[in-house]
Amino acid sequence: QLQLQESGPRLVKPSETLSLTCTVSGGAISSSNYYWAWIRQPPGKGLEWIGSIYYSGSTYDNPSLKSRVTISVDTSKNQFSLKLNSVTAADTAVYFCAGQYYDLWRGYPPYFDYWGQGTLVTVSS
Amino acid sequence: DIQMTQSPSSLSASVGDRVTITCRASQGVGNYVAWFQLSPGKAPKSLIYAASILQGGVPSKFSGSGSGTDFTLTISSLQPEDFATYYCQQYNSYPLTFGGGTKVEIK
Repeated sequence: QLQLQESGPRLVKPSETLSLTCTVSGGAISSSNYYWAWIRQPPGKGLEWIGSIYYSGSTYDNPSLKSRVTISVDTSKNQFSLKLNSVTAADTAVYFCAGQYYDLWRGYPPYFDYWGQGTLVTVSS
Repeated sequence: DIQMTQSPSSLSASVGDRVTITCRASQGVGNYVAWFQLSPGKAPKSLIYAASILQGGVPSKFSGSGSGTDFTLTISSLQPEDFATYYCQQYNSYPLTFGGGTKVEIK
């Protein structure tokens, strides 16, 4: 059973870079059966997928974030990270990390199964 | 991008009621739809994937159906722990997209 936990600064200034880390326990981040993802939820709004990464380094991100996103994996620490640059107040949200199970043999698209509890990040001066 | 239109946006129900939430995709997504439960202060819970397959440990009072563009989540016999917000999501193609959510409240 995987467990995921987000960590990082809760307050970021406008125009700076938001940095979060997700620590995975109960399984290896280098597993070929998982993609690792970031999702966010602005206050009072719905969920928005930010991006995903595979252990090989392949990444997918949401074009709506206009190339401000960098997602990386650190297999030595069993962690993956999010960097979102040039933040504004619109980036204030609860940020979740999640695991997407990938059936390597059947090749079906990966789906979310495990989630972190989420961390509220506020963008304000 | 594939738009996921969820309805209703909120509903009031009593303990023991059966509720159904619908989700419509703006284009066909096969059966690559998942459903999630969000409660304040808790990690989101994955309920269903592939439109109708229950995630491990999810009680059978939850069920999902649909394919193509129209999907439903049904909760039979609501219990107090089921009052939460539910989201559908398509994972047929990137960018992954979610419905707007349905808040299930106590009547």
